[in-house]
Order: sequence, then structure tokens, then C-alpha cells
Amino acid sequence: LAKTTQPISMDSYEGQEVNITCSHNNIATNDYITWYQQFPSQGPRFIIQGYKTKVTNEVASLFIPADRKSSTLSLPRVSLSDTAVYYCLVGGRSNFNKFYFGSGTKLNVKP
Amino acid sequence: DTAVSQTPKYLVTQMGNDKSIKCEQNLGHDTMYWYKQDSKKFLKIMFSYNNKELIINETVPNRFSPKSPDKAHLNLHINSLELGDSAVYFCASSQVVFPRDLSGNTIYFGEGSWLTVV
Repeated sequence: LAKTTQPISMDSYEGQEVNITCSHNNIATNDYITWYQQFPSQGPRFIIQGYKTKVTNEVASLFIPADRKSSTLSLPRVSLSDTAVYYCLVGGRSNFNKFYFGSGTKLNVKP
Repeated sequence: DTAVSQTPKYLVTQMGNDKSIKCEQNLGHDTMYWYKQDSKKFLKIMFSYNNKELIINETVPNRFSPKSPDKAHLNLHINSLELGDSAVYFCASSQVVFPRDLSGNTIYFGEGSWLTVV
């Protein structure tokens, strides 16, 4: 099963772009990369998912290099409300819905 | 309507008691999960059910017994509660992805159930 490694915490200021990188060296061929956001006292919430290259939606972009051993979540122009824990997951079809969360990255956005 | 709902949200109980947490999803998903988040915020998968059948049991003590009466419900019963069981328990669901489906799975989580054992 692919293990993920992320920075434990990051600080940023409002209006800045934030990039959080996740390492997943033993990602399997059929694994997807998914990022979740968790606010205090809430369940994790899906942000974005990708398989390769770049994916963009209304809240974030996900950059995945050709070897897929890492991925970078990019949050444009963060605000105070983006302060949360961000989890990177790899998995899906290759391990029949086993999803293992890493330690997550605590993003602290300052005014 | 809440996609994945679990009750109760808060539960304080004494050691040795037996308690249950209920979960329901209205997304039509085939797969449901229980995750445990401890005080250090690590999210660990406990169980996964697919169409009422247990497919993942991550070395959870026998005191924890999941029950899936139908694919929309997955309840968690805990016997003889211990102090170390204090945590937040999240129910979640996802749709099984078939080999020809090019999309990945997305898990939808409930709001969590805060269990405190005293």
C-alpha cells in the first residue's frame, strides 16, 4: 500500500498561493491521488483528485509529475478560512477501496 | 439533506459500558467505512463494508463490531468501553469503481461522533 509523506505544518498569509507537496514513492499503477481538507470538528472534505499531469477545479489545482511519485496541491490566494488540515491519499481501484490517510499538513493562514 | 449522517454527535460514557454509533448514507454508494481519529489527529481506517459484506477489518479489537443491515447503513457497536476508545469516529461512503471506470474513488465523510470514555 502506498504510504504518503507530507510536511506536518505550513504557515502562509492571506492572498498568497500555497503549495503543499506529498510524496508517494510506491504508488501503484491504478492508484489515484486525492486530497482532502478537514476543519476542526468536521469530517474530511474532498478537494481534488487526479491521476497524472494537472487537474484544476474551482478551489485548487493538483500537479502530478510523470513518475507520479509525488503530487502538489496548489491553493490560489488563500484566505483565513483555508486554515485546516490537508490530507493526501493514494489508492482506489488497486486495493479495493482501502484508503489510508497520512498525518496531514496543518495549514495556518495568517492575516 | 446530509449525504452521510451519523448519530450521536457527542457521547460521554463510563468505562465498561456498551454503546452504538449509527450511520446512514443517502448517496446510493455500495461501500461504507468507519474511521477513527485519535487525539493526534491521525485518521485510521477500521472497517469497510461493500454491499453489506465486510471487506476490510484493520486489526480492530473484537469489542468493536460493525453491523450493516443494508448498504445504506453501517452501525458501530462497541462493547466494554475503555479509556483508549476515546476518539472521534467518522463514518464514510464511496462508490465501488469498476475496472473500466477511469475515475478514482471519492470518499464522503460524516460529521463525526465524539466519544469520550470516563
